[in-house]
Amino acid sequence: DGGITQSPKYLFRKEGQNVTLSCEQNLNHDAMYWYRQDPGQGLRLIYYSQIVNDFQKGDIAEGYSVSREKKESFPLTVTSAQKNPTAFYLCASSIDIWDSLAKNIQYFGAGTRLSVL
Amino acid sequence: GIQVEQSPPDLILQEGANSTLRCNFSDSVNNLQWFHQNPWGQLINLFYIPSGTKQNGRLSATTVATERYSLLYISSSQTTDSGVYFCAVGGATNKLIFGTGTLLAVQP
Repeated sequence: DGGITQSPKYLFRKEGQNVTLSCEQNLNHDAMYWYRQDPGQGLRLIYYSQIVNDFQKGDIAEGYSVSREKKESFPLTVTSAQKNPTAFYLCASSIDIWDSLAKNIQYFGAGTRLSVL
Repeated sequence: GIQVEQSPPDLILQEGANSTLRCNFSDSVNNLQWFHQNPWGQLINLFYIPSGTKQNGRLSATTVATERYSLLYISSSQTTDSGVYFCAVGGATNKLIFGTGTLLAVQP
């Protein structure tokens, strides 16, 4: 099946601990994104990557880090510097955004719910 | 940056009723998508519609780019339509800005 796989579905973090959320896509998409959703709110962009080995900060990047070593993978690390990490995290991907004729339609994974112990 | 406002924030319908959800945005956009978030959190693409009108079954959407708004129509609503509907827009950067959503509850 083609799609975006996020793991784990649920994750618990202890104080002072770094945790990594996985996002894998087999859609051959160039761009990948991480969003955070708080209860009753819309999605806010954390980081995005348009190409392998390159990524940019979104609106709320503080306390998070990412890497893009492979086209299909875009893991997100929630560091101990993120003081309020409890949220629903969603990963998305879209086709070649460098092509002005392409529709930048974003497709989403099922999400990871992160809670603090 | 671009501001996105959705209305109404909440909506309760009886099964079979029709509804219209609105999305206003503050600047010209290259991208506009409507999503449905189900109770388990999964975001499902409904429409990619930066301009014009599209229909898919009981759902249709219209974007009037010159007036900076988009409408999502749901006809003959069903309980499975319940959830949160998001409008998201993108400008020159291709990043999507999400509205705060419309929470729809369809009662049997």
